[in-house]
Amino acid sequence: SQQGEEDPQALSIQEGENATMNCSYKTSINNLQWYRQNSGRGLVHLILIRSNEREKHSGRLRVTLDTSKKSSSLLITASRAADTASYFCATAMRSGGTSYGKLTFGQGTILTVHP
Amino acid sequence: SAVISQKPSRDICQRGTSLTIQCQVDSQVTMMFWYRQQPGQSLTLIATANQGSEATYESGFVIDKFPISRPNLTFSTLTVSNMSPEDSSIYLCSVRNSGSYEQYFGPGTRLTVT
Repeated sequence: SQQGEEDPQALSIQEGENATMNCSYKTSINNLQWYRQNSGRGLVHLILIRSNEREKHSGRLRVTLDTSKKSSSLLITASRAADTASYFCATAMRSGGTSYGKLTFGQGTILTVHP
Repeated sequence: SAVISQKPSRDICQRGTSLTIQCQVDSQVTMMFWYRQQPGQSLTLIATANQGSEATYESGFVIDKFPISRPNLTFSTLTVSNMSPEDSSIYLCSVRNSGSYEQYFGPGTRLTVT
């Protein structure tokens, strides 16, 4: 089964509102990365948070990580219509060997921001 | 971050044929990966493309169906062989350098098999 599960599956908000997406995972991780995908195109890397970090910011993005709960959240503040996209979390497991470098993706959250 | 290009960007192919997808990176990278994204689904790793050796495939994916080449540190190809409509997906290459955890993706190749 997928390492990451995201909720909500879909989120619809008005421009200017904040959007929060959550990601849960099952095994110990080295890091967790968030990506955006516009309309079935390539993935854009948003932010990476390491297992020893609790919070990171990048512009209007804020990511938190709670390793005790095996969960992460992505907050987009002051959303814009251009933020409309699918958002995925992806985890890199702690172990090396054949798992080294591999990302396991969650199911994604479809965010729609209405102008 | 590396600039990654893929060719073709999209294709429509007939059942039973094969398609080779190219992934070109503007700098040398240690690790390259190929992912598949079926319609409305998340991404699934197909294989890790190793330079100078055989690719490492994930469970459910085999070399006969998805042969991969990695002739150098900036280029890789994925072939989807003997295609069926179930192979209709977006195929994405991804890169990562040793010493860095960030993984970057190409724009994807949208494949439709009729």
